[in-house]
Amino acid sequence: DTGVSQDPRHKITKRGQNVTFRCDPISEHNRLYWYRQTLGQGPEFLTYFQNEAQLEKSRLLSDRFSAERPKGSFSTLEIQRTEQGDSAMYLCASSPGLAGGTDTQYFGPGTRLTVL
Amino acid sequence: AQSVSQHNHHVILSEAASLELGCNYSYGGTVNLFWYVQYPGQHLQLLLKYFSGDPLVKGIKGFEAEFIKSKFSFNLRKPSVQWSDTAEYFCAVNAGGAAGNKLTFGGGTRVLVKP
Repeated sequence: DTGVSQDPRHKITKRGQNVTFRCDPISEHNRLYWYRQTLGQGPEFLTYFQNEAQLEKSRLLSDRFSAERPKGSFSTLEIQRTEQGDSAMYLCASSPGLAGGTDTQYFGPGTRLTVL
Repeated sequence: AQSVSQHNHHVILSEAASLELGCNYSYGGTVNLFWYVQYPGQHLQLLLKYFSGDPLVKGIKGFEAEFIKSKFSFNLRKPSVQWSDTAEYFCAVNAGGAAGNKLTFGGGTRVLVKP
């Protein structure tokens, strides 16, 4: 078990381009989360999956953002027509999916996006 | 909607000093509470968590936190800090149930421990 991994670690793109990030959760974890963190702020929730089902999306997730988890394992987060305001650290977390609210999320190293 | 506030943005202290970081949340129902730490160049790591039971919880590296329900607080403490405790600390809340499984984070507190 090597923890949550994310790829790439850094991405620099030009405004208007599309970018895609990948997250591989801890094996056997059935919940996967995406957060965004800007400088000087705590992480903000974007969306989460239980297996392959996307169960919740934040209003922060505009229609330029889409996330998938097609086989209930890894997930991708795509941003279309990037804007400078999308520059941030994109964090992925996974959790085993324990019932009763006792679930604990484990975070990956993040993908730092810079939009020029 | 739930929210979390951390009172101090930056804390500077010397080794062996005591540390207390404040965290208050706004949510009227049952909550699960977490402190995460991010050391320089590393990813977020779980420091400790509270789900139920004894409101004084102990975590890794000598940290502890106390849940005071009446004050909606979950303050983090360490009696004697080390230079290696230099990091950013985040308080987070998960209300679960109808509020979902997402974590709501505070803005973080940067702690600098001078050797």
